[in-house]
Amino acid sequence: AAGVIQSPRHLIKEKRETATLKCYPIPRHDTVYWYQQGPGQDPQFLISFYEKMQSDKGSIPDRFSAQQFSDYHSELNMSSLELGDSALYFCASSLDPGSYNEQFFGPGTRLTVL
Amino acid sequence: DAKTTQPNSMESNEEEPVHLPCNHSTISGTDYIHWYRQLPSQGPEYVIHGLTSNVNNRMASLAIAEDRKSSTLILHRATLRDAAVYYCILRARDDKIIFGKGTRLHILP
Repeated sequence: AAGVIQSPRHLIKEKRETATLKCYPIPRHDTVYWYQQGPGQDPQFLISFYEKMQSDKGSIPDRFSAQQFSDYHSELNMSSLELGDSALYFCASSLDPGSYNEQFFGPGTRLTVL
Repeated sequence: DAKTTQPNSMESNEEEPVHLPCNHSTISGTDYIHWYRQLPSQGPEYVIHGLTSNVNNRMASLAIAEDRKSSTLILHRATLRDAAVYYCILRARDDKIIFGKGTRLHILP
């Protein structure tokens, strides 16, 4: 079965650079979520989109922005990178938002900021 | 957001049942109880969810207390592959997942 695809899987950037992470949801899934997991930490919700509109916002820094495109893939844009942005970034997708719907997580993008 | 309390870690022997407890005394009537797990170096993975009644699926069972202030995830026959961090999560009307600390489950061969 098709799963959530994230690219790239690994990314190394310098401080103050920008990064773009991509997420391709499971086919027919219209809702995408982004989570950040720092070293030794639990995943933290950043932002979500439903039908290409932002549906919820968590602890996402102002330096980050995201959008969902017409084909439902999503991109997380990160600017002025800081050392503390080094983390695993997970994307998840679901079919319709809602508390009863399972979220399917991708394998994550490991971002290292030097 | 309503909070959950789980043991930091648990151990179990391979091929034995495992009962992972979760307390959620401030749960509201519309909160669903979800369990996700995260295997090493992987993204979180859905395990099971329920509202009031006990639930079974191919991965696990979820036993929910009558007052809904606690629940237990049951793995009927643990394997080494079940070693992971297990998260008990309350989800309200909105759809995001708020991860707590979780229980790190160790499986002993």
